[in-house]
Amino acid sequence: AQSVTQLDSHVSVSEGTPVLLRCNYSSSYSPSLFWYVQHPNKGLQLLLKYTSAATLVKGINGFEAEFKKSETSFHLTKPSAHMSDAAEYFCVVSGNNQGGKLIFGQGTELSVKP
Amino acid sequence: DAGVIQSPRHEVTEMGQEVTLRCKPISGHNSLFWYRQTMMRGLELLIYFNNNVPIDDSGMPEDRFSAKMPNASFSTLKIQPSEPRDSAVYFCASSGGDNEQFFGPGTRLTVL
Repeated sequence: AQSVTQLDSHVSVSEGTPVLLRCNYSSSYSPSLFWYVQHPNKGLQLLLKYTSAATLVKGINGFEAEFKKSETSFHLTKPSAHMSDAAEYFCVVSGNNQGGKLIFGQGTELSVKP
Repeated sequence: DAGVIQSPRHEVTEMGQEVTLRCKPISGHNSLFWYRQTMMRGLELLIYFNNNVPIDDSGMPEDRFSAKMPNASFSTLKIQPSEPRDSAVYFCASSGGDNEQFFGPGTRLTVL
């Protein structure tokens, strides 16, 4: 069975400093992994996805994530935070046996201080 | 493409009333998902369809909830009768088969 754990419910950074949002997954199959972002009162938007190609995945708005099978991790990073990055971030796993279902983490709220 | 379209965007109703939420998936997508999001429970999958057929409705809270997909371009989620604890944001998402889901803007439901 697939599962995903986001290790921090809330992360606060200063504008211009690096962002690290941590995610660990569990999967019996070769997983597809995603990061989605949700801005206040908005729907979810795909940031990036890993589907067994390059382990370092680049997404929109300068975000990237690295798939590390040995650590079962898929942490999201950005070199320099911007005020507009303040949002809720969800790590998501999907497996071949899920019929298209996605398993969502509980979310990490990112705050960016001026 | 206009993306996933949901209506209404906001709904306020009184306990006991019937509520119908609507979703138009992205054209060509063959999977459709209904989610509910609350502060307490986070994002929950309620039900999903493949090729208009319900595949997994194990997330539907109880018999008051029902969902239909009469054709590839339209789905409804109905709550009858509604209760205050149903207050949440309901999202519809669609997928073209590569596991990437595209979400609509959501319907914010308030049951008084």
